[in-house]
Amino acid sequence: DGGITQSPKYLFRKEGQNVTLSCEQNLNHDAMYWYRQDPGQGLRLIYYSQIVNDFQKGDIAEGYSVSREKKESFPLTVTSAQKNPTAFYLCASSGLYGGEQFFGPGTRLTVL
Amino acid sequence: AQSVTQLDSHVSVSEGTPVLLRCNYSSSYSPSLFWYVQHPNKGLQLLLKYTSAATLVKGINGFEAEFKKSETSFHLTKPSAHMSDAAEYFCVVSVGGGSQGNLIFGKGTKLSVKP
Repeated sequence: DGGITQSPKYLFRKEGQNVTLSCEQNLNHDAMYWYRQDPGQGLRLIYYSQIVNDFQKGDIAEGYSVSREKKESFPLTVTSAQKNPTAFYLCASSGLYGGEQFFGPGTRLTVL
Repeated sequence: AQSVTQLDSHVSVSEGTPVLLRCNYSSSYSPSLFWYVQHPNKGLQLLLKYTSAATLVKGINGFEAEFKKSETSFHLTKPSAHMSDAAEYFCVVSVGGGSQGNLIFGKGTKLSVKP
């Protein structure tokens, strides 16, 4: 089945640690995205990538980093510089020319 | 500037009664519009999309939405609510071509369905 997978489903981080969230897609989509979701806030764009080895900052990129070494993979690292990382993180992908995005099941990150 | 406003943060209906979730948008361009649904602790699933074809758009699970340019609205409706419809719904506008992360999400409407 084609789709987007995210792992882990739940992640706990101690203050000062970096953690990496995985996102993989087998839809052959060129573009991939990371969003952060907080209660009552909708979704906010962290980073997006239209092509391998290229990515752009979204609205709330501070404290996050990404890489795009393969078309299928777009991991997100939450660094210790992100002051309030507890949230639900969603990965999505789309065709190169935009339009609808397909979402993964999400990773819930909690800082202890 | 482009924006999307969901007029109700929470809507409660009884099973078997109609559902109306309201969405207004602001866009300088001819927009593409979407409705997504999210069940608790899950990803978002596309319900339906409008891309400048028919103004009445039918989606999955009996939902439909009507694009009204004069009112800048894209309200989501369903004739008869089912318990499984309880979820959060997001109205989304795509502003311009390309995939430059140009989806703007509303803050969501949580739909509760009473038995």
